[in-house]
Amino acid sequence: AQSVAQPEDQVNVAEGNPLTVKCTYSVSGNPYLFWYVQYPNRGLQFLLKYITGDNLVKGSYGFEAEFNKSQTSFHLKKPSALVSDSALYFCAVRDSWAGNNRKLIWGLGTSLAVNP
Amino acid sequence: EPEVTQTPSHQVTQMGQEVILRCVPISNHLYFYWYRQILGQKVEFLVSFYNNEISEKSEIFDDQFSVERPDGSNFTLKIRSTKLEDSAMYFCASSAGTGGIGEQYFGPGTRLTVT
Repeated sequence: AQSVAQPEDQVNVAEGNPLTVKCTYSVSGNPYLFWYVQYPNRGLQFLLKYITGDNLVKGSYGFEAEFNKSQTSFHLKKPSALVSDSALYFCAVRDSWAGNNRKLIWGLGTSLAVNP
Repeated sequence: EPEVTQTPSHQVTQMGQEVILRCVPISNHLYFYWYRQILGQKVEFLVSFYNNEISEKSEIFDDQFSVERPDGSNFTLKIRSTKLEDSAMYFCASSAGTGGIGEQYFGPGTRLTVT
């Protein structure tokens, strides 16, 4: 069965420090992986995706994520956190074997708090 | 920058009533979706829609649910007879239909409260 796990409910980091938000997944075929961010009272905003190719993908607002096939992980990273990065982060996966079905399977989300 | 919009932002209804949640997807997108998130739980896929028909639906999307694209811009989700357990945040999304692995763009959501 397809699934996504975000093992940390909350991540706290000091401004200027690097941050990592963890995500692991399980799919039948090759994964298409996505990170979204949700600010209070806002929708889910797309950050970045991995489809194929380079394992390190870069996205919006200085975020990047590293795909690791052997560990079935897709951790979100940023070298230097900003207070404005504080938000709820969601990892999602789509199974490439699902054909034209494009539904996303979601993790529970990780609340990131960046302290000044 | 184009964005997905949803109305209303909050809908309160009584159990058994019909509700229609409205969405305006990004104009050149071809795939449309509804997801929901019950408070404290995961975002769950409900349905995807392409070429004027449902392309996939989840087990949540039973006969009480329907979707429609009544004109060239709106995409609606109807719940015929709401239940208490339908209370959730409902998100509409759209993606481009270039055949690639397009990311989905989400609206701000409609919070549905069934009393």
